[in-house]
Amino acid sequence: QQQVKQSPQSLIVQKGGIPIINCAYENTAFDYFPWYQQFPGKGPALLIAIRPDVSEKKEGRFTISFNKSAKQFSLHIMDSQPGDSATYFCAAVNTGNQFYFGTGTSLTVIP
Amino acid sequence: ETGVTQSPTHLIKTRGQQVTLRCSSQSGHNTVSWYQQALGQGPQFIFQYYREEENGRGNFPPRFSGLQFPNYSSELNVNALELDDSALYLCASSPSGGQPQHFGDGTRLSIL
Repeated sequence: QQQVKQSPQSLIVQKGGIPIINCAYENTAFDYFPWYQQFPGKGPALLIAIRPDVSEKKEGRFTISFNKSAKQFSLHIMDSQPGDSATYFCAAVNTGNQFYFGTGTSLTVIP
Repeated sequence: ETGVTQSPTHLIKTRGQQVTLRCSSQSGHNTVSWYQQALGQGPQFIFQYYREEENGRGNFPPRFSGLQFPNYSSELNVNALELDDSALYLCASSPSGGQPQHFGDGTRLSIL
């Protein structure tokens, strides 16, 4: 059973575009929602994270939008660059600090 | 600040063999979690260690076991290897209290 559903599976945008990746969860015991970026041959690297008491968080070009009632959250990448081409994973973390990851979104930013 | 390091980077085994993967946690982190990442999938939680004790386990059989040492480094042991165990095994460490969690670059395990 997939605890966190992520879409789309892949995404292609032009440089400067704003890719949006969406995630949904069911378990209300989750209380921390990070996003990770993964390049081939590397481990996931933490990008940005949010807790359910806020609806939006910005860090640089990355923004998380969080809708607690809908149990959905999304990642927006402003002014996307070719160097942002990577696989992005959302995750939901429960109070026991156990991470449940989405299936990933492969992002390609075309110069 | 030293990040999470894993060894070896690549490993090839045959069915039925046993394997041990190693992880050094980031400086100041006392909690270590292990994940299995199949090709094209997200990481799947195997288990977590805190102060040398298992502190949560995912849906993995008992042939997946682990250890954490007093210096907070950790091992993942897998017995009776199966073809489906071929994956990238990731270690992540975090401070007491949970966040943030940082990952190593993983060990790529191939089962022939």
